[in-house]
Amino acid sequence: EAGVAQSPRYKIIEKRQSVAFWCNPISGHATLYWYQQILGQGPKLLIQFQNNGVVDDSQLPKDRFSAERLKGVDSTLKIQPAKLEDSAVYLCASSLESRAANTEAFFGQGTRLTVV
Amino acid sequence: AQTVTQSQPEMSVQEAETVTLSCTYDTSESDYYLFWYKQPPSRQMILVIRQEAYKQQNATENRFSVNFQKAAKSFSLKISDSQLGDAAMYFCAYRPGGGGADGLTFGKGTHLIIQP
Repeated sequence: EAGVAQSPRYKIIEKRQSVAFWCNPISGHATLYWYQQILGQGPKLLIQFQNNGVVDDSQLPKDRFSAERLKGVDSTLKIQPAKLEDSAVYLCASSLESRAANTEAFFGQGTRLTVV
Repeated sequence: AQTVTQSQPEMSVQEAETVTLSCTYDTSESDYYLFWYKQPPSRQMILVIRQEAYKQQNATENRFSVNFQKAAKSFSLKISDSQLGDAAMYFCAYRPGGGGADGLTFGKGTHLIIQP
């Protein structure tokens, strides 16, 4: 079974530029999550999708971050314009469905973003 | 809001010895799940063990076991017979049960060093 795919693995941009990350979840997984992991910290949830609908985006900085999952499969996360403090690893995860007792979230290898 | 606290930024253990990683959490909910994830340098989060809050029995997975103290809101991970491959960052995480959003809340992590 293929895992969660993310691209690119690394990205370096200048502040005020825009950037987009792509995530392809495990086939059949209805729930998709984006997390931000700043160096030395644990991941922080940015947004959760159930199919193509947003379940939770309470911690997404909506003035500069946006995310979509148009067909309920792949997802993109965009930052525009980027700030120095956006430097982090962006992790995508997917699960079969939320709230099921034994649902496990599977993570991709993340995209390391450096804003200079 | 839920919080997860890992008070040990770094732990070191000799190969083949036993080590315990600490985690406390705060929640007002009665239905939830707790997890320990391992993150090697590849950045991919790997599930080590999970515990359902409604289960009194502590979870065990081969060399990994937890000590779940619900009243004290404590969830420690014990690794027996430590191996070099266990070296990584370990994150404790909380997930709410019931309906609605179920993204993980992570602690800051513990860096585990295995000394040969």
